[in-house]
Amino acid sequence: EDKVVQSPLSLVVHEGDTVTLNCSYEVTNFRSLLWYKQEKKAPTFLFMLTSSGIEKKSGRLSSILDKKELFSILNITATQTGDSAVYLCAVGPSGNTGKLIFGQGTTLQVKP
Amino acid sequence: EPEVTQTPSHQVTQMGQEVILRCVPISNHLYFYWYRQILGQKVEFLVSFYNNEISEKSEIFDDQFSVERPDGSNFTLKIRSTKLEDSAMYFCASSPILRGEKLFFGSGTQLSVL
Repeated sequence: EDKVVQSPLSLVVHEGDTVTLNCSYEVTNFRSLLWYKQEKKAPTFLFMLTSSGIEKKSGRLSSILDKKELFSILNITATQTGDSAVYLCAVGPSGNTGKLIFGQGTTLQVKP
Repeated sequence: EPEVTQTPSHQVTQMGQEVILRCVPISNHLYFYWYRQILGQKVEFLVSFYNNEISEKSEIFDDQFSVERPDGSNFTLKIRSTKLEDSAMYFCASSPILRGEKLFFGSGTQLSVL
């Protein structure tokens, strides 16, 4: 059975800290891994990764994929209170249906 | 920036009643999806839809569920006879290209079945 596991489930840090969120997966015919940020309702897209070892960056956020060890990490440096959210990892298996398999999410709380 | 819109934001219904959840995907997108999230649980895939037909559906998407694109802009999810366990946040999503790349999600409809 395909599955995506995120760790930790929750994390409390102070502004300015750096955090690393983890995502491991077991998916038949892996094609892509995506990170989303869910603040109140709608998940919003952060990154999509398809190749190992290539870091994606957007401001203070970065992510990298290891297809050999079947995991990805999401780093947030110099955290701000606005980074408080649930971070979702999702994996897209190959095929032509657009189905994503989500992890349970990591709840990040950034305190002032 | 274009966005996926969903209505209503919150729907309360009695068990056994039919509900229709509505979505307007981003206008130039071709692939449409419904996902749901039961409180405290993972976001789960329900169904994908392309070219006016279902591409894939999950085990959750049984005969009580149906989807439709009645016109050029709306995409609906119908639950014929709601059960208590259907209570969840239902997300509509769309993408311009296939296979789940960069799905754009709506804000969701919180369905409460009493």
